[in-house]
Amino acid sequence: EVQLVHSGAEVKKPGATVRISCQVYGYTFSDYYMHWVRQAPGRGLEWVGLVDPEDGETVYAEKFQDRVTISAATSADTAYLELSSLRTEDTAVYYCTIEKRVDAFDIWGQGTMVTVSS
Amino acid sequence: DIVMTQSPDSLAVSLGERATINCKSSQSVFYSSNNKNSLAWYQQKPGQPPKLLLYSASTRESGVPNRFTGSGSGTDFTLTISSLQAEDAAVYYCQQYYTSVRSFGQGTKLEIK
Repeated sequence: EVQLVHSGAEVKKPGATVRISCQVYGYTFSDYYMHWVRQAPGRGLEWVGLVDPEDGETVYAEKFQDRVTISAATSADTAYLELSSLRTEDTAVYYCTIEKRVDAFDIWGQGTMVTVSS
Repeated sequence: DIVMTQSPDSLAVSLGERATINCKSSQSVFYSSNNKNSLAWYQQKPGQPPKLLLYSASTRESGVPNRFTGSGSGTDFTLTISSLQAEDAAVYYCQQYYTSVRSFGQGTKLEIK
């Protein structure tokens, strides 16, 4: 069974950096791009970026370009999202997701809650 | 980047009635090479990740009831729920995957009247 398993919730102060992870089970990690999508409390879905685990190539949404790093460790079947210079508005659930069987996000993790508060 | 705009932001529909949600993209998401639209619809309930309902604008994901129908092409798309059930109360999102930079609509909250 395919599973995307997130790391635990994080609480950070404004200006800090957070790194969260998504470990995959049940498929070959390098076969599919890993995407990250976030959702602030009571708000909609926002695409953050993607990584190709095969070669580490990334694509980011323009609004996160200067603050986000998405990476992949094939030895650990794990993708990472690092977000720096945190602001209170970065408080959100961060989901990892893949397009496995179809060209849309058909597999999702349960998400990691990141809270930014002084 | 492609901007996705849904309408309405919310709607309330009675059980058994039809619900219609619209989605418009700022540029065409139709791929002439495969004759498909790169447009998906998701359903999200509180405390859960989104669930894929339809892709290629009109193809139902496995296990999705046939009361969910997608239509449209190019820049204008519609999700129709033909006979609303109580479990259909949720937020619905459209999303384009035409470009590497993906984008979602702002969401439409569907309530039972």
